Amino acid sequence: DAGVTQSPTHLIKTRGQQVTLRCSPKSGHDTVSWYQQALGQGPQFIFQYYEEEERQRGNFPDRFSGHQFPNYSSELNVNALLLGDSALYLCASTPGLAGWEQYFGPGTRLTVT
Amino acid sequence: AQSVSQHNHHVILSEAASLELGCNYSYGGTVNLFWYVQYPGQHLQLLLKYFSGDPLVKGIKGFEAEFIKSKFSFNLRKPSVQWSDTAEYFCAVNARYGGSQGNLIFGKGTKLSVKP
Repeated sequence: DAGVTQSPTHLIKTRGQQVTLRCSPKSGHDTVSWYQQALGQGPQFIFQYYEEEERQRGNFPDRFSGHQFPNYSSELNVNALLLGDSALYLCASTPGLAGWEQYFGPGTRLTVT
Repeated sequence: AQSVSQHNHHVILSEAASLELGCNYSYGGTVNLFWYVQYPGQHLQLLLKYFSGDPLVKGIKGFEAEFIKSKFSFNLRKPSVQWSDTAEYFCAVNARYGGSQGNLIFGKGTKLSVKP
C-alpha cells in the first residue's frame, strides 16, 4: 500500500520564478492538505483540497495556489518566489473531510536563491 | 485563534532516562490532539492521537500521552528512552466542527537528543 508520495525531492529556484510541487495521496484517501515547514519551525497549514475544491486556507498570500485532480492527486504552485519561501513543503492526506488522522509525505525541499 | 506551545526547544537525555515533553494548546472547543515524530531524514510519522474517551493514550514505541482538559495540556511521556528515540517531536491540534475537522496546528517542535 503506497503512502503519500511527493515530487520532486529537492528543488532550487531563483527569486521571482514560479514553482509547482506535486503530491499523490495515500491509496483510498481523497483529501489533500499542504503545509510549509520552515527551518526550526513546525509545519504551517497552507490549504486543503477535497472534491477538486479548496476547502480551507491558512494565512498564506495568493501567490500560493493549488489544484486537485480527479484522481485526488494535487499540485501546489507558488508564484513570484521570495527568499522566505525556502522551506520543506509537506503534503498530507486523509480519507474524507472527517478523516482525523493525516498521513504525511516525505516533503519537497525548496531552496530559493 | 488556535495555537500550540511546546515548552522545550531542545532536550538532551541519557539512555534509560525518563522523558516528558510539554504541550499546551489554546482553543475553547472540542479538539483532536496528536504527537508526531520526525526522525532524522525521515517524514513525519504519527506517534499517538487522542480523539475522545480515556485521556491516557498509548502510542507506538512505548510512548504515551495524557490529555488534561482543565490545563489544555497533552504531554508526551516515555519511561525509558533509547538512542533510537533521537528525533524531533511535534504536538498538533485540530478543532472539531460536527463531522468535520479544522486544519492541523503544530507547535514549533522539541528536538530530543539521546546520548548512548
